[in-house]
Amino acid sequence: GAGVSQSPRYKVAKRGQDVALRCDPISGHVSLFWYQQALGQGPEFLTYFQNEAQLDKSGLPSDRFFAERPEGSVSTLKIQRTQQEDSAVYLCASSLASGSLDEQFFGPGTRLTVL
Amino acid sequence: AQSVAQPEDQVNVAEGNPLTVKCTYSVSGNPYLFWYVQYPNRGLQFLLKYITGDNLVKGSYGFEAEFNKSQTSFHLKKPSALVSDSALYFCAVRDRGGSYIPTFGRGTSLIVHP
Repeated sequence: GAGVSQSPRYKVAKRGQDVALRCDPISGHVSLFWYQQALGQGPEFLTYFQNEAQLDKSGLPSDRFFAERPEGSVSTLKIQRTQQEDSAVYLCASSLASGSLDEQFFGPGTRLTVL
Repeated sequence: AQSVAQPEDQVNVAEGNPLTVKCTYSVSGNPYLFWYVQYPNRGLQFLLKYITGDNLVKGSYGFEAEFNKSQTSFHLKKPSALVSDSALYFCAVRDRGGSYIPTFGRGTSLIVHP
């Protein structure tokens, strides 16, 4: 029963490597958000999908960050040529409706450490 | 623009005592307000939300929050704290007439002592 799952839970990358982070939202949830959470901070918005459409990517910090949700369910956040400043916890959240008042259901996050 | 402030990095309270975790917000229009809790190595979990109507909102695990428009606050409260309430608490705001993207506060660490 299913909540939002994310994989891997932990990822260590050498600077310059590419990484891919996966999010499995709750089945049937229309909205999907990606957040970046630095140590001691709240989640910071990265990007938003409504089904397969990426409606907002204004929070992506650089063109090294790319997200997709091709079939409107599973989403992948890809970071190319990782830098040390990319080290953070990446959270995925889904909600039932679009642009909604519904609460978001969060996954456990992927902790990325870039050496 | 929208923003949230959680003025306390940490709140300490004895078990059985009432607790308050503070949150103030800023939006251009009217707010939607949320509280989430984060336990170690877990994702954020929804506690409660204010959309409209009664200013006192009741949520999960005995928590409640009061929307105060004049003070632009949405403080989280519980009459009697439990050790198991110890966690990180996040307040979030959305502008009702603006973006669907919520802005989260920095979080407040609640420590309940036995």
